[in-house]
Amino acid sequence: EDKVVQSPLSLVVHEGDTVTLNCSYEVTNFRSLLWYKQEKKAPTFLFMLTSSGIEKKSGRLSSILDKKEPFSILNITATQTGDSAVYLCAVEARDYGGSQGNLIFGKGTKLSVKP
Amino acid sequence: NAGVTQTPKFQVLKTGQSMTLQCAQDMNHEYMSWYRQDPGMGLRLIHYSVGAGITDQGEVPNGYNVSRSTTEDFPLRLLSAAPSQTSVYFCASSYRGRPDYEQYFGPGTRLTVT
Repeated sequence: EDKVVQSPLSLVVHEGDTVTLNCSYEVTNFRSLLWYKQEKKAPTFLFMLTSSGIEKKSGRLSSILDKKEPFSILNITATQTGDSAVYLCAVEARDYGGSQGNLIFGKGTKLSVKP
Repeated sequence: NAGVTQTPKFQVLKTGQSMTLQCAQDMNHEYMSWYRQDPGMGLRLIHYSVGAGITDQGEVPNGYNVSRSTTEDFPLRLLSAAPSQTSVYFCASSYRGRPDYEQYFGPGTRLTVT
């Protein structure tokens, strides 16, 4: 059975700290891994990763994928209170035609950043 | 572009009632899907569609029906609402078969079944 496991489930840090969120997965015919940020509304897209070892960056956020283990991490440096959210990891498996399949989500990591 | 729109934003139903959650997108996306999100459970796929006239079941399809008569619309029907269907429902859409894509999510519908 395909599954995505995120850790930790919740995390409390202070502004300025650096955090690392983890996502491991077991998926048949892996196609991509996606990170989303959710703040009491719809998830918003952060990154999509398809190749091992290539870091993607956006401001203070970065992410990397290791397809051998397999897992991904999401790093947030110099955290701010606005980073408080649930961070969702999702993995997509290829469908039988080789095109995109459905997303399998982890349960999320709830990050709270204190002033 | 309005993106992905969902109606209603909130709904309260009594057990046994039926209703349809509406989802529409104006981005000409082939792929559309419905998720439900429950506390501590992440998002779970209910049904999805890879194009007009084609639908399939996801992880938790029981109690829900879908249809896709047009590219733009993908309604989710609750046949006989049960308290276990109390949840937040998200509709999402994306291009199909493109090397880089993201799923665009609607704002969600918060459903309470009493």
